[in-house]
Order: sequence, then C-alpha cells, then structure tokens
Amino acid sequence: EVQLLESGGGLVQPGGSLRLSCAASGFTFSMYGMNWVRQAPGKGLEWVSRISGSGGSTYYADSVKGRFTFSRDSSKNTLYLQMNSLRAEDTAVYYCAKEIYASVNYFFDYWGQGTLVTVSS
Amino acid sequence: DIQMTQSPSSVSASVGDRVTITCRASQGISSSLAWYQQRPGKAPNLLIYAASTLQSGVPSRFSGSGSGTDFTLTISSLQPEDFGTYYCQQANSFPRTFGQGTKVEIK
Repeated sequence: EVQLLESGGGLVQPGGSLRLSCAASGFTFSMYGMNWVRQAPGKGLEWVSRISGSGGSTYYADSVKGRFTFSRDSSKNTLYLQMNSLRAEDTAVYYCAKEIYASVNYFFDYWGQGTLVTVSS
Repeated sequence: DIQMTQSPSSVSASVGDRVTITCRASQGISSSLAWYQQRPGKAPNLLIYAASTLQSGVPSRFSGSGSGTDFTLTISSLQPEDFGTYYCQQANSFPRTFGQGTKVEIK
C-alpha cells in the first residue's frame, strides 16, 4: 500500500525557514517523480515543485523559485522541501504527491495527508 | 503558463442527477488532463487521468472526455458521497496548473 506522510509544518515568522519532509513507502521510491502541491486556507490547489525519480531534475513554480529547494534521499525513501525567505502568502497546507506515468504525461495518483505551514509574526 | 478555467464554480444537485463540469485550457494540451475530487479536510483523490482514463477503484459513474482545450467530467448518477470540490489539472507543461475548482453539493 502506497503511503506518503508529510511532517515539519508549523508556525514560522516572515523571512524564516522551514524544512518539510515526506516519508514514502509501498512503492519503488527511486522510480517515480514526486511533487509538492499546496493549498492556502479556503483556496484552490497550487502546484509548487517536481523532482524526478533520480533527483537529477527539478522544476519550481515562479512563486517559490529561488526560495524553495526540493530534494530526495533514496536511502531513506524521503523527500524534503527546504523553504527559505518565507512570506505570508506561503501559508498553506503542503501535500506531497506521487506521479503515475500515462500517455506520455505524469499525473498525481497518491497524495499525503498534508502538513500546515503558517507564516505569521 | 497554461490557464485552466472550470465551470460552473458550484453546482447543487439531487441524488441520481447527472452532473457535468467543464474545464477549458488557455492553449491546446492534447489529452494531458486529470480530474481530482477533494472532500473537506482531505487530500485530493485522482479520478480521471489522460482526459478519459478512469483511475483504479473509482466508480464507473465518473467519466471524462475531451482533448485539445475543452474537457468534461461527468457524474452519471450523483451519489451522496460525491460531495466535495472537483479540480482539473493540466500535465502538458510546467508549471502544472489547476482549475479554480467546482464545488458539488447534494440537495
């Protein structure tokens, strides 16, 4: 059974840093690209970042580029999202999501339960 | 960036009704589209991918169609557990983008 368990959320001041983790199990970790998707309170879904199965390729939303870094550790089956220079608008529930490959594209077939990040003074 | 626009923004329907949600992409995305259901307080759940492929375990009353710029999610016979917000998402290019969501309520 695929499981994704996020952790590391919490309250942080503007300009501060936070590192989120996502522990994965139930699938061959290094074979799948992974993503972070966030949802501000009462708002819709916003894609944040994607990392390839090998970890050699990453993509970021413009809103977080240069501030967030997505990495993965295959020895621990864990993803990390290092978030620096946090802003109030980064306040959201952050989900990690596994990819499924179909018809030359990738979709999100499993999601974690989410971890809440609140940026406030 | 590719913009995804859903309509309607909300729909209230009775059990057994047919419900249709549309999603329009700002440029052609072939069949690179997924639909997700999100119940309050829960993570999104994949329903349809590649525009029309039903995800394993999803009831057959859900179906998807379309290609290019115009897509549709249909619930053939609405059930009480189908409440929630539905999102389309394009997988054609980065950044991945979602529609703004369609809230489905049961009358």
